[in-house]
Amino acid sequence: EVQLVESGGGLVQPGGSLRLSCAASGFTFNNYWMNWVRQAPGKGLEWVANIKQDGSEKYYVDSVKGRFTISRDNAKNSLYLQMNSLRAEDTAVYYCARWGSGWLQGFDCWGQGTLVTVSS
Amino acid sequence: DIVMTQTPLSSPVTLGQPASISCRSSQSLVHSDGNTYLSWLQQRPGQPPRLLIYKISNRFSGVPDRFSGSGAGTDFTLKISRVEAEDVGVYYCMQATQFPWTFGQGTKVEIK
Repeated sequence: EVQLVESGGGLVQPGGSLRLSCAASGFTFNNYWMNWVRQAPGKGLEWVANIKQDGSEKYYVDSVKGRFTISRDNAKNSLYLQMNSLRAEDTAVYYCARWGSGWLQGFDCWGQGTLVTVSS
Repeated sequence: DIVMTQTPLSSPVTLGQPASISCRSSQSLVHSDGNTYLSWLQQRPGQPPRLLIYKISNRFSGVPDRFSGSGAGTDFTLKISRVEAEDVGVYYCMQATQFPWTFGQGTKVEIK
């Protein structure tokens, strides 16, 4: 079964740091672009960042550039999001999502999400 | 950034009746490779999103054929031919033609 499981969320003070992880199973992890997508409480979806199969390309939404870093460890079938200088507006459920390969170009697999709350 | 605008934002529908959601992008979603990376996702209450449609009109595995996507360029539509109770949720269009990838605001489908 294809599965993505996020972890690492929690309560952090403004200006603090947090590292999210996403454990992948049931598929060949290094064949896929991987993404982080977030959803603030009661709000819509926002794409945050993604990373190419070999980690050679990374893209970010402007609001997190310079503060967040996406990375992956293909040997461990894991995706990460290092979040620094956190702000209240970063409060959200963070989803790990796989981008399909070949003809199937869409977010074809999602984790359950991990909640990040930035508050003093 | 490409802005994705969905209408309506809320759609009360009678069971068994059709529903339609429009999505308009602020610029063409045709990629230089000739593909149009427009997809539709469904988010049921308390659940993560789920892919319904990719590249305008391709249904994802397991998606009922009452869901269909159409459109081109900057104007796209998701149609549900006959709404069922399990279709309640929020529907998002999204574009992956240009970074940053962006979503529409979401359209809430509920039963009258």
